[in-house]
Amino acid sequence: QKEVEQDPGPLSVPEGAIVSLNCTYSNSAFQYFMWYRQYSRKGPELLMYTYSSGNKEDGRFTAQVDKSSKYISLFIRDSQPSDSATYLCAMRGTGFQKLVFGTGTRLLVSP
Amino acid sequence: EAQVTQNPRYLITVTGKKLTVTCSQNMNHEYMSWYRQDPGLGLRQIYYSMNVEVTDKGDVPEGYKVSRKEKRNFPLILESPSPNQTSLYFCASTNRGHNEQFFGPGTRLTVL
Repeated sequence: QKEVEQDPGPLSVPEGAIVSLNCTYSNSAFQYFMWYRQYSRKGPELLMYTYSSGNKEDGRFTAQVDKSSKYISLFIRDSQPSDSATYLCAMRGTGFQKLVFGTGTRLLVSP
Repeated sequence: EAQVTQNPRYLITVTGKKLTVTCSQNMNHEYMSWYRQDPGLGLRQIYYSMNVEVTDKGDVPEGYKVSRKEKRNFPLILESPSPNQTSLYFCASTNRGHNEQFFGPGTRLTVL
């Protein structure tokens, strides 16, 4: 069983839709939770990060962490074609920097 | 501009021919790492370095070597490449205690 599970998609939605992306994990030591966005032929870029449980909002993006369920989510409101990319969740414990990544979910937002 | 650069961006080679992929960052970051990205497997860490002359194995180190002689550079060496090392490779850097890893643009390697 992988430490981090993520549905690969693709997830296709029309412009303006609310998108929900999710990851589950098995390691209860994870404390920092991140979402990276990767455009085609580019390296991943950090979109948001959250420490421990709770919500964090940044513009159209909201990250949620439920440590009791070992489940994290990224919501995108009013999705745009420019949001079309692969979204990777990543997480780590305290101290050491090693990140464990999900396999990524490919999102397609059609005009 | 703060960035991580990798060279080459694309490389096609043959089995057994030694190659080096260079990585350089201009942000004075202590921590650097190499990942490979494969369909269905996501990003997997190959090697990492906590600082100059300090390197350690990640999850998939077999067939790779690294060195960290200067803070800004972290080359990835494939002494005898094999077809199962065909992949997309990313170098990344960050400062200790920061969650944001800065990734390079990637190197697509094909080993025939």
